[in-house]
Formats: sequence, structure tokens, C-alpha cells
Amino acid sequence: DIQMTQSPSSMSASVGDRVTITCRASQSISRWLAWYQQKPGKAPNLLISTASTLQSGVPSRFSGSGSGTDFTLTISSLQPEDFATYYCQQADSFPLTFGGGTKVEIK
Amino acid sequence: EVQLVESGGGLVQPGGSLRLSCAASGFTFSTHNMNWVRQAPGKGLEWVSYINTVSTNIFYADSVKGRFTISRDNAKNSLLLQMNSLRDEDTAVYYCARSSTARWEILDYWGQGTLVTASS
Repeated sequence: DIQMTQSPSSMSASVGDRVTITCRASQSISRWLAWYQQKPGKAPNLLISTASTLQSGVPSRFSGSGSGTDFTLTISSLQPEDFATYYCQQADSFPLTFGGGTKVEIK
Repeated sequence: EVQLVESGGGLVQPGGSLRLSCAASGFTFSTHNMNWVRQAPGKGLEWVSYINTVSTNIFYADSVKGRFTISRDNAKNSLLLQMNSLRDEDTAVYYCARSSTARWEILDYWGQGTLVTASS
């Protein structure tokens, strides 16, 4: 199974900050990586597919990059509604596996 | 609007069984592969199972293999998860999630989840 490692597991940031979350796969997954946002008590929401493809309706302050084993989710200017937990997921093969999550909290 | 609504969760004793349902609407259910994903309280996401459109390709996480059975009824636009021999560690919110047609391994819509508690 492909292991996904996210860092950091949590972070504090202020509105307007640039935020970067990293995700590493235990083997190459090309660009088959997705990012999800989850707010408390809600279902995850797909933000980015295939490493950098923004889903319809997702603000352009979100961006994704990377290929192979190393990936990054960047929020260029953090907004109040962005405080949430973010998960990466490898979309290369079954069984699907997720990173442990990064909780972005208000500083 | 795509909607996925899970039901069937509840409290069950370890060793017991439960059947979850997911009612789909707002899209052509029969053309989408489907998944179950779970999240234990305060923990991360764990993929549980996948089924293709015609139920010929089915996968399970090792943690549930032999105990859980995924199925679908395209005529009723519903996804099912039969859970047997439940364990304490199966306690979680269970989400129904649709596979993207562009890449089956990407989950583009999720239901709100149903809570399963396996406890004595």
C-alpha cells in the first residue's frame, strides 16, 4: 500500500498569511494526488485533483503543485473560511490512502 | 445538484451487524463508480471499499475484508454496505463518496455521513 505523509499535522496562521502544506508519497504516484478540505462536522470537499487542477468553484488562492512523491498545497492569502483540516490522498491505485491531515487554526 | 444521503447508522454491540445505505440523486448513478470512506472520532480519513458501475470490480481495505460487503442497486440509485462482525475499532462516521469519471480514484462528491458506534 502507498503511504501518505503530511506535514505539519497542525499549524496556526493569521488571516492574510501564505500557508503551505506538504504531502509525501512512499512511492511515485506521478500526478495522481488529490487535496480535500474538511470543516468540523462536515464531509470532506474536493479542492484539487491531479496535483494541480482546481475544482470548479474553488477560490484561486488555493493552488497545488508537485509530482512523483512530493506535493504541496498552497493558500496564497488565508481567509477566515479557510480554517479547516486539509487531507491529501493518493489517486494512483487502490487501496486509496490519505495523509494524516493538517489542521489550520487561527493564530 | 448532486446529493448523497447516508442512513442506517446507530449503536451496535461488538460482533453485531449493521447495513448502511446511501441514496443518490442529481446525477446518473449507474454511470459512476462509488466508495465508502470512514472517519473514527477525532481521527483522519480511511477508505473502506469501492464498487464499479456494474458491480464486477470490488475492492476492500484489509481492515474490513471478509466482514463488510459493498453492493449497489442502480434501479434504486442506492449504494449499500453490509457490516458484519463489527468491532470497537469500526466506530466511525461512514461517508458515501462518488468516484470522478475522469479518475476513479478521485472522490468528487461526498455525503454528510452516518455514525456507526460499535460498543457494549
